[in-house]
Amino acid sequence: TQLLEQSPQFLSIQEGENLTVYCNSSSVFSSLQWYRQEPGEGPVLLVTVVTGGEVKKLKRLTFQFGDARKDSSLHITAAQPGDTGLYLCAGRDYKLSFGAGTTVTVRA
Amino acid sequence: GAVVSQHPSRVICKSGTSVKIECRSLDFQATTMFWYRQFPKQSLMLMATSNEGSKATYEQGVEKDKFLINHASLTLSTLTVTSAHPEDSSFYICSARAGQGGYTFGSGTRLTVV
Repeated sequence: TQLLEQSPQFLSIQEGENLTVYCNSSSVFSSLQWYRQEPGEGPVLLVTVVTGGEVKKLKRLTFQFGDARKDSSLHITAAQPGDTGLYLCAGRDYKLSFGAGTTVTVRA
Repeated sequence: GAVVSQHPSRVICKSGTSVKIECRSLDFQATTMFWYRQFPKQSLMLMATSNEGSKATYEQGVEKDKFLINHASLTLSTLTVTSAHPEDSSFYICSARAGQGGYTFGSGTRLTVV
């Protein structure tokens, strides 16, 4: 049973456009993390959100955590080809449970 | 920052042989290591969790006799795929954690069984 659902599954946009990826959990975890993974590499941590309603910014990336701590979103402003990758949300308790991932392709 | 080294990055083996994948924490002691399997353009599926010096805990549906995990020291865990078959071909990734700290991932191993 997939505890974390991500949408959309695939996203292809033109350079300069904005995009949003969503993550919805059926459970409340101690924290939620977002990772980006490039082909043939391991995932790299982007951010950890802990508090309901939290908003974190990382350059052009904005992460929001819902008040109920069950949903989260990742928004990228003015996407660049370097943002291409698989974006994964993961709920953390004594282990990490990953969502299915969103494959983002930014075309030059 | 914390670094996890995974080796080899790619391996091709013949059907019926065994393959060992190593995962090392280079600058911290990993009390817990995790092994994941990932199919193309899909998410990471946790296979097992291992704590140093104790037997690994396998997720439901993962054959413990097929995927042998050893975590003999605080810096090294190994995954051995025994009697590999083409359906075992996949991307295997390890992750290490020190206590209740963050997770650090290895760069993965692409296994191809021919």
